[in-house]
Amino acid sequence: QQPVQSPQAVILREGEDAVINCSSSKALYSVHWYRQKHGEAPVFLMILLKGGEQKGHEKISASFNEKKQQSSLYLTASQLSYSGTYFCGTDNAGNMLTFGGGTRLMVKP
Amino acid sequence: KAGVTQTPRYLIKTRGQQVTLSCSPISGHRSVSWYQQTPGQGLQFLFEYFSETQRNKGNFPGRFSGRQFSNSRSEMNVSTLELGDSALYLCASSPGLAEANTGELFFGEGSRLTVL
Repeated sequence: QQPVQSPQAVILREGEDAVINCSSSKALYSVHWYRQKHGEAPVFLMILLKGGEQKGHEKISASFNEKKQQSSLYLTASQLSYSGTYFCGTDNAGNMLTFGGGTRLMVKP
Repeated sequence: KAGVTQTPRYLIKTRGQQVTLSCSPISGHRSVSWYQQTPGQGLQFLFEYFSETQRNKGNFPGRFSGRQFSNSRSEMNVSTLELGDSALYLCASSPGLAEANTGELFFGEGSRLTVL
């Protein structure tokens, strides 16, 4: 079953922060985050394995709460280059990723 | 290192026709996954191949099929095309561990199919 992402869209000014959430109804083995810019292929950001670890990538970090079957992506001091659609992918230890519907992020000057 | 290559990049077909899309993974990658991307549904998993075997399949009708060759290149076929099949079809490769495929996916730029 497809994970649910929220919000569906968000508009920010440069320097503002944002949080994107990803929830699953199934137990998760790992959560993956990707960013897709308009007209381009999705690009990997990070993987979080069960265990509640938090990872960071520049000013983008994420957390994974396996008990709640949720993950959150944190974008700090957003830059224009952060604009795009963010997808979370969930893995139920079945060798496949199921992606959420995506969150469109637009960062304005 | 060359990335994932998908061909053709754009194609137009009519209802009832069939189409074959090709994906060449990154050299050394043994797993290839296919996704359908539409504005309303996001990224929908079609199937995943590892060492020429279909390891996982999404909830798509039997009109959607795929295969993987010994060099890891993969093809997907859609028969009896419907208007709703219009989408961007993305292929992604990964090294693909035998036990689990929880690694990074490397996506191609996709094949955009329009069905008239």
